[in-house]
Amino acid sequence: KNQVEQSPQSLIILEGKNCTLQCNYTVSPFSNLRWYKQDTGRGPVSLTIMTFSENTKSNGRYTATLDADTKQSSLHITASQLSDSASYICVVSALNTDKLIFGTGTRLQVFP
Amino acid sequence: NAGVTQTPKFQVLKTGQSMTLQCAQDMNHEYMSWYRQDPGMGLRLIHYSVGAGITDQGEVPNGYNVSRSTTEDFPLRLLSAAPSQTSVYFCASNRLGQGTYNEQFFGPGTRLTVL
Repeated sequence: KNQVEQSPQSLIILEGKNCTLQCNYTVSPFSNLRWYKQDTGRGPVSLTIMTFSENTKSNGRYTATLDADTKQSSLHITASQLSDSASYICVVSALNTDKLIFGTGTRLQVFP
Repeated sequence: NAGVTQTPKFQVLKTGQSMTLQCAQDMNHEYMSWYRQDPGMGLRLIHYSVGAGITDQGEVPNGYNVSRSTTEDFPLRLLSAAPSQTSVYFCASNRLGQGTYNEQFFGPGTRLTVL
């Protein structure tokens, strides 16, 4: 069964610190993996999209990595800001389908 | 570009009532979809459409109907609301095509409570 699992479920860090969020998937055959940021009360917004041939992609202070062999991805946030407080959702797409498999997200809280 | 818009933002219904959640996009995207988001669960696909006149069921279609008469609009109808349909509903759109960056754009969501 195609699944996406994220860890941790929630995370609290202090402003200015770095953090890493994890995503493991069992989706096959793999097409691409996305990370979304969802602020409270808003829709998800895309941060990065990676295909199997890409192992690192950055978007400002956000850096996503992908290991297609172990079916793992991580999202690293550098020098966190209060505005980084949000849920981060990992989403995987299987080849030959337009449907996406969503993880349950990691809830990040950044405190001053 | 307004992107993906949804109305209403909040709605309270009584069990058995019907209503339509509106969704529109101005990016000329072929693919539109409806999701529901419940606490502790990932977004779940309700219905989707790959173009005007074409719709299909997703993971959790029961109790919902959709139609796609134009490229821009994709309304979601609740036929007879039930408390189990209390959720946050998101509409999304993207271009079609595997192997391309078919980034999906989400609307702001509709928070629905069924009493």
